[in-house]
Amino acid sequence: KAGVTQTPRYLIKTRGQQVTLSCSPISGHRSVSWYQQTPGQGLQFLFEYFSETQRNKGNFPGRFSGRQFSNSRSEMNVSTLELGDSALYLCASRYTSGRLRTDTQYFGPGTRLTVL
Amino acid sequence: ELKVEQNPLFLSMQEGKNYTIYCNYSTTSDRLYWYRQDPGKSLESLFVLLSNGAVKQEGRLMASLDTKARLSTLHITAAVHDLSATYFCAVDAGSGGSNYKLTFGKGTLLTVNP
Repeated sequence: KAGVTQTPRYLIKTRGQQVTLSCSPISGHRSVSWYQQTPGQGLQFLFEYFSETQRNKGNFPGRFSGRQFSNSRSEMNVSTLELGDSALYLCASRYTSGRLRTDTQYFGPGTRLTVL
Repeated sequence: ELKVEQNPLFLSMQEGKNYTIYCNYSTTSDRLYWYRQDPGKSLESLFVLLSNGAVKQEGRLMASLDTKARLSTLHITAAVHDLSATYFCAVDAGSGGSNYKLTFGKGTLLTVNP
């Protein structure tokens, strides 16, 4: 079974630009979460999507947004990039189906974003 | 706001020794997770602890959960070099049911020396 895939793996942008990151979950997984990892703040939850609906959101400004498609693939967008947005962005997927779920969350390899 | 504290943040061990990493959290939750991250790599799920008193073991690692004390431990037995990595605990602060919102600790950088 293929794992969680993220594209692109590396990205360099300049301040003020916007960026879109993509995540394809494991087949059959409908829950997709996004995290930001930085040396200073560690791992921080961005948002979680399930069946195209955002169910939870972390404490990030509105410049960070996301969406999920009907095939469970997800994208996150960061507009008006700032230097502090440089980070590793991790996507994770989890199997949920009503009451039946597993609690293991599988992480993708991440997208390393550098803002200059 | 849920806070998750790990200690120690840095741990240098000799091969063959035992040690414990602690994870304290600030609000009620009965779902706690341990992950491993190797340098430059993503996170690998180690343990999922879903109830008070839960204990899980895999190889030289054993994790436990005490929801009343809001404490989880990751015990390392007879450490080997391959265990060198950063270990994170994470607590689910979601509203229950199928909601899901993990708050991570800062991580413990474990170095096992020969």
